[in-house]
Amino acid sequence: QVQLVQSGAEVKKPGASVKVSCKAFGYTLTDYYVHWVRQAPGQGLEWMGIINPSGGGTSYAQRLQDRVTMTRDTSTSTVYMELSSLRSEDTAVYYCARDGCSSTSCPGKAWFDPWGQGTLVTVSS
Amino acid sequence: EIVMTQSPATLSVSPGERATLSCRASQSVSSNLAWYQQKPGQAPRLLIYGASTTATGIPARFSGSGSGTEFTLTISSLQSEDFAVYYCQQYNNWPRTFGQGTKVEIK
Repeated sequence: QVQLVQSGAEVKKPGASVKVSCKAFGYTLTDYYVHWVRQAPGQGLEWMGIINPSGGGTSYAQRLQDRVTMTRDTSTSTVYMELSSLRSEDTAVYYCARDGCSSTSCPGKAWFDPWGQGTLVTVSS
Repeated sequence: EIVMTQSPATLSVSPGERATLSCRASQSVSSNLAWYQQKPGQAPRLLIYGASTTATGIPARFSGSGSGTEFTLTISSLQSEDFAVYYCQQYNNWPRTFGQGTKVEIK
């Protein structure tokens, strides 16, 4: 069964960094791109960026690119999203989501499926 | 970036009735459009991709149509478990963008 399992909730102070993990089960991590999406309380979905677990290449949303870093560890089938210089507006549920189609079958154009269960990151002094 | 606009923001429907949700893109996204369902406290779940292909395990009462800039999600006969928020998303261009969501509530 294909699934993504994320790390647990975090509470951070303003200015700190947070690193969220997303472990892949049921498929080969390097065969599919992985995205990160966040959702502030009561708000919609915001795409943060994408990582190619095969080569490690990344692309980030312009408004976050100075603060976000996505990495992967193929030995543990895990991708990571680190967000630095946290501010209260970063309080949100963070989701990882896999491309619904492999990187060889649908290069650059795929829907998101499945999604991780989400990780709540709270930024508060 | 491509702006996705969903309407209405809230749709009040009685169980058993038909629901029609709309999504408009600020420029053409071809058929690279997906629909997701999200219930409170849960991650989004894929319903439709390629504008009209129903995802695995999704009931036949869900259907999608459209191409270019105008898209529709139809729920033919609403069941109690269908009351949720629905998002459209384009995956034709970078950055990927979502609509603001349509909440389907019980009338």
